[in-house]
Parts: sequence; C-alpha cells; structure tokens
Amino acid sequence: AQKVTQAQTEISVVEKEDVTLDCVYETRDTTYYLFWYKQPPSGELVFLIRRNSFDEQNEISGRYSWNFQKSTSSFNFTITASQVVDSAVYFCALKVGRGSTLGRLYFGRGTQLTVWP
Amino acid sequence: DAGVIQSPRHEVTEMGQEVTLRCKPISGHNSLFWYRQTMMRGLELLIYFNNNVPIDDSGMPEDRFSAKMPNASFSTLKIQPSEPRDSAVYFCASTFAGLPSNQPQHFGDGTRLSIL
Repeated sequence: AQKVTQAQTEISVVEKEDVTLDCVYETRDTTYYLFWYKQPPSGELVFLIRRNSFDEQNEISGRYSWNFQKSTSSFNFTITASQVVDSAVYFCALKVGRGSTLGRLYFGRGTQLTVWP
Repeated sequence: DAGVIQSPRHEVTEMGQEVTLRCKPISGHNSLFWYRQTMMRGLELLIYFNNNVPIDDSGMPEDRFSAKMPNASFSTLKIQPSEPRDSAVYFCASTFAGLPSNQPQHFGDGTRLSIL
C-alpha cells in the first residue's frame, strides 16, 4: 500500500525566513514519482515540482529546492526567503503503478504555511 | 493552452435535489480523476477513469454518487439525492498515464458545493 505523511499540520514564519516542508512516503515499488502541489487561499491546486525515484541529484528552481532521500523515504521541500504570497497549503503526493493504474496520486494531508509580513 | 475546466464553480441547492458536476479534461490526457476536499477528511479520491473506462470507484461514498465519462473530453459526477454532508469542494484532474511516467495531474478550479 502507498502512503504519504506530512507530519507538520501548520507552519508559521516571518517573511524572508527559509522554511522546509517535510514529506515521508511509503511504497514497495522500486520506481515511483513524487510531487509537490500548492493550494493558495483562492483554492486551486497548482503543480509545483516532481521527482523520479531514480534521479540522484537534488535540485533548485528559483526560491524552491527539494531534498530527496531514498534512505529515509523523504521528499522535503524548501522555500528560500519566503514571501507572503507563499502562504498556502502544500501537498506532497506519490505516484506508483503500472499500465492503466499509472496516473493515480496518493496525497498527504497537507501543511498549512503562513508567512507573516 | 486550456487547463481542466469545471462547471459550475459554485452550486447551492437544497437537500434531496440532484446535483451534476461537469469536467472537461486537458486535450490529449487519457486519465481523469474526481476528488472531494473537506476540512475533516482532506483530499479524497472518489473515482478515476483511464481511456474513458472507470478503473477504481472504491472512493465513491455510496450509491447516491455516480460518475460517467462518455468521451475523452467530458465527464460528470452526479449526486442524487444530495445531502448536507455532501457539501465540499469537488475537484477534477487529468493527466496522461503512459510514458513518460512522471506526468503530474492538472487540476480544475473546483466546484464549491453547498447542500442546505
């Protein structure tokens, strides 16, 4: 069975602080894909980043970076120099599967990030 | 490019009425997903289709809920009869399930449903 755990329910930071959102996943598949989504107060779900299980390098994209650790089954997401507009609920998601089941995502419960001015 | 289109954006209706939510996936996507989001239960997968065929409907709460995908560009989620506990935001999402395998799901803006 697949499972995604986001232990942090809520995080509050002050603008310009760095913040890391934790995500731990469970799967027995050896090939899988991890995603982060953002849900701002307006309600839409926006795809942010993805990672393949067989990628070795961690990446940075602008103020976003992510740390994939297979040994601890973690896929943490960091926002550098946070801004008020980063305030949102962030979801971590896992995809596994073969054939027609490919495409289904398993979501964590989300982390509410509030960035204060 | 047009994203996933859902209608209506908001629906307020009385208990017992039939509710129909609509979704147009992104052109070229072959998998479509219906989710429900509430404060209590978070984001729940209700049902998903691949090539217009329902693959897993185990998340559908009960027989009052039904979903169809008559063609690759349209899907409906129907609740009949509706109850106050069905009040939630309903999202539709689509993706290409195939190669490359790391395709994300793209979500519509959701339908905010209130059953009085």
